[in-house]
Amino acid sequence: QVQVVQSGAEVKRPGASVKVSCKVSGHTLSELSMHWVRQAPGKGLEWMGGYDPEDGEISYAQKFQGRVTMTEETSGDTAYMQLSSLRSEDTAVYYCATGDPVTAALDYWGQGTQVTVSS
Amino acid sequence: DVQMTQSPSSLSASVGDRVTITCRASQNIGTYLNWYQHKPGKAPKVLIYSASSLQSGVPSRFSGSGSGTDFTFTISSLQPEDFATYYCQQSYSVFGQGTKVEIK
Repeated sequence: QVQVVQSGAEVKRPGASVKVSCKVSGHTLSELSMHWVRQAPGKGLEWMGGYDPEDGEISYAQKFQGRVTMTEETSGDTAYMQLSSLRSEDTAVYYCATGDPVTAALDYWGQGTQVTVSS
Repeated sequence: DVQMTQSPSSLSASVGDRVTITCRASQNIGTYLNWYQHKPGKAPKVLIYSASSLQSGVPSRFSGSGSGTDFTFTISSLQPEDFATYYCQQSYSVFGQGTKVEIK
C-alpha cells in the first residue's frame, strides 16, 4: 500500500519561495508519476503539473510555467515542488498525488500542505 | 491547453435521488477522463478512471460514460456520505471547476 506524507504548513512573505516535500513509502518513487494539485480558499482543484510517463518529462500547467519547479530525489523516495515569486493568490492547500501508470488517475494523495502568503 | 467545463456548478438533492453531472472538454481527449470526490479537510479520491471504469473499492452506485469531448458522471441513488464536491479531470492534466452536491 502506497503512503504519501507531505511536509508541514508554511507561512511566507510575498515575493518569497516555498518548497513542499512529499515522501512516498510502500513503493519506489521512480516507478510512480508524481503530480501536484492545489486548492485556494473557496476555489476548486487546480492541477499544477507532474510527470507524464508517455513522454518521460515533467509537464507544468501554463499558468505556473516559469514559477514552479518539480523535482524528485529517488534515493529517498521524496518529491519536491518549489513555487517562487509568491503572491497572496498562492495561499492554498497544496497536494501531491501519485499517478497510476495503468489508469492514468491520481490514486494516492498526501494529506495536503497549507501555504499562506501574507505580509 | 485543453479546458474542462463541468455543469452544474452546484446542485441540491435528496438521499435516494439520481444525480448526473456533465463534463465537456474543449478538444477530443478520447477516454482520458477521471472523476474525483472531494470532501472538506480530506484529500480527493478517484472514483472513475478512463471515463467509465470503476476504481477498486468504489461503490457501484457511481458510474461514468462518454468519450471524445462529452462525459457524464452518475450517482444512481445518492447516499448521505456522497455529499461532496465532484471534479472531472483530463488524465494528468486540467480539472473541471467542480460540482458541489448539497443536501436538499
